[in-house]
Amino acid sequence: DTEVTQTPKHLVMGMTNKKSLKCEQHMGHRAMYWYKQKAKKPPELMFVYSYEKLSINESVPSRFSPECPNSSLLNLHLHALQPEDSALYLCASSHGTSGGETQYFGPGTRLLVL
Amino acid sequence: AQTVTQSQPEMSVQEAETVTLSCTYDTSENNYYLFWYKQPPSRQMILVIRQEAYKQQNATENRFSVNFQKAAKSFSLKISDSQLGDTAMYFCAFLQGAQKLVFGQGTRLTINP
Repeated sequence: DTEVTQTPKHLVMGMTNKKSLKCEQHMGHRAMYWYKQKAKKPPELMFVYSYEKLSINESVPSRFSPECPNSSLLNLHLHALQPEDSALYLCASSHGTSGGETQYFGPGTRLLVL
Repeated sequence: AQTVTQSQPEMSVQEAETVTLSCTYDTSENNYYLFWYKQPPSRQMILVIRQEAYKQQNATENRFSVNFQKAAKSFSLKISDSQLGDTAMYFCAFLQGAQKLVFGQGTRLTINP
């Protein structure tokens, strides 16, 4: 089973709203990732959690706040977003981070910021 | 930093034909990993195939195979007996370090009936 689930599938929010994206996997993976994908562009890495600790932050603005409550769950808290933050947000997981680990992606959350 | 280049923005073939998607990359590392992912209109990113740079043998998964040329830093994907369900955006990706996937710009492949 290589399933990563993400909720919600779609989200519309105003610039003053606070919302959260959720990602879950039950494959026993110990690394989880957030990617941002703009239309007609490849995904770009935002954050990496390894063994529930933040290991990579790709200079993402503070209006994006990741959280890893446990090894199966990854959240992305959104606050005071801008219209240019509208994108598909993809979550991924891998067995570990020792090198060469395949990343398995969820279906994504399509976010629209008005 | 590693870069990944896919020189074919779009390709179109007839069903049952064979198609090859190109990918080149730039790295100074000796041990690394390469991937092809497909992203159909549903937007789910699906792993197609992976290749370890230390393996000389080209990876194969059913109708999908790669031509990995390490010296040339080339990693092309061949799809045999193409099917309508193969219609998707295909991304070549390089695993930088242990955690960061660097993607190419993608090739939009259309399989026509």
